Amino acid sequence: AQSVTQLGSHVSVSEGALVLLRCNYSSSVPPYLFWYVQYPNQGLQLLLKYTSAATLVKGINGFEAEFKKSETSFHLTKPSAHMSDAAEYFCAVISRAVGNEKLTFGTGTRLTIIP
Amino acid sequence: NAGVTQTPKFQVLKTGQSMTLQCAQDMNHEYMSWYRQDPGMGLRLIHYSVGAGITDQGEVPNGYNVSRSTTEDFPLRLLSAAPSQTSVYFCASSYSINPSGNTIYFGEGSWLTVV
Repeated sequence: AQSVTQLGSHVSVSEGALVLLRCNYSSSVPPYLFWYVQYPNQGLQLLLKYTSAATLVKGINGFEAEFKKSETSFHLTKPSAHMSDAAEYFCAVISRAVGNEKLTFGTGTRLTIIP
Repeated sequence: NAGVTQTPKFQVLKTGQSMTLQCAQDMNHEYMSWYRQDPGMGLRLIHYSVGAGITDQGEVPNGYNVSRSTTEDFPLRLLSAAPSQTSVYFCASSYSINPSGNTIYFGEGSWLTVV
């Protein structure tokens, strides 16, 4: 079964610094990959998704992620952190295997922005 | 979260009580699913449905029941509530689980406390 691993349950960066949130997937076939953001006491918002077009995917709010098959990774980055980026971020995956298409989430990374 | 409606938003139950979380969508989506979110564990799939009359178990189905009598509705039933079911529940829907060209919509969540 497919799964994703998010390294680091908590990440702190200074305002204006690079944001890097890590996600690795385990799947024999490159899956569909997603990043979602959740602000406190709110639902989930899609940041970006990879569906096998360009390996560098640009999303909302200045975030982007690069699919690297050789590293089985889909890390989320933003060049310059803003206070409003403080939230919890979830990497998620859908397998391409027929009959196993389920959206599976990682355990999440809470991003704190230091003023 | 456009088009996916969850009710109630907040609920307190006593151990052993039963209740139903409602989920409705007006987008004619075939695929619907229920997740629970717990600290440090991300979102875990409870049950899902690929169309009216078809349901299947996810990762954590025990203690929950679902049915899909119409395309629009996908209620989640707690048969005999336990404190371990205290969680935030999210309903999601999409036209198809294949994300190419499709968007997965999430409801705003239902906060459930079992005492």
